Amino acid sequence: EAGVAQSPRYKIIEKRQSVAFWCNPISGHATLYWYQQILGQGPKLLIQFQNNGVVDDSQLPKDRFSAERLKGVDSTLKIQPAKLEDSAVYLCASSLSRLTDTQYFGPGTRLTVL
Amino acid sequence: SQQGEEDPQALSIQEGENATMNCSYKTSINNLQWYRQNSGRGLVHLILIRSNEREKHSGRLRVTLDTSKKSSSLLITASRAADTASYFCAEEFNTDKLIFGTGTRLQVFP
Repeated sequence: EAGVAQSPRYKIIEKRQSVAFWCNPISGHATLYWYQQILGQGPKLLIQFQNNGVVDDSQLPKDRFSAERLKGVDSTLKIQPAKLEDSAVYLCASSLSRLTDTQYFGPGTRLTVL
Repeated sequence: SQQGEEDPQALSIQEGENATMNCSYKTSINNLQWYRQNSGRGLVHLILIRSNEREKHSGRLRVTLDTSKKSSSLLITASRAADTASYFCAEEFNTDKLIFGTGTRLQVFP
C-alpha cells in the first residue's frame, strides 16, 4: 500500500515570497491533515479536511495560509507571503475516517525562509 | 498552549538498556497515542492507549496511563541502535484531533 506522498521535499524561499506544498493521501482515506512542525517541537495541526470540507482550521493563520482539497483527494497548502517564522517542516497526514484512530504521515516538506 | 510536555527532553543510553519517557498532557482525553520520528521513516504511529486502560504492551513497548495525574509513560525494553529517534505523545481529546507533546530525543549507542 502506497503511503502519503508529499512534494517538494525541500524548499528555500525569501521572505514575502509565496510557496505551495502538495499532498496525496493514502487511497480511500477521507480525512486529511496538515501539520506544522517547528524545529525542536511537536507537530501542530493547521487544518483538517473531511473529504473536501474543512473540519477544523482554528490554528491556521488565515491572513497568509490557505489550503484546499477540491476533489476530496489530494490537497495543497499555500503560504503567501512567507515570513521568517514559517520556517518549519510541513507534514501531511491522512486517516480512513474521523472515527479511525491512526493517522499516517507523509515524509514532510522542509521549508526554509530566508 | 495546549501542547503537552515530555520528560526528559533528551535521553542517551547503551544498547540493551531500557528507556523510559514520560508525558504530561492537559486535556480530558479519549485516548493517548505515541509516535516515533526519525529521518528515515518520518512520523510513525507506535501504540494507542484508551482512557479506560491503564497499561498496554506491544512488542518491546509498554505504555502506562494515569488519567488522574494526566500522565503517561513509554518504556522501550532492550533498546537497539535502531530505536534512536524522537518520541512524541499525542493526546486525542476530540474525535481524531491530536495534540502532540514536545518530544523526547532518544539516542541509543551501540
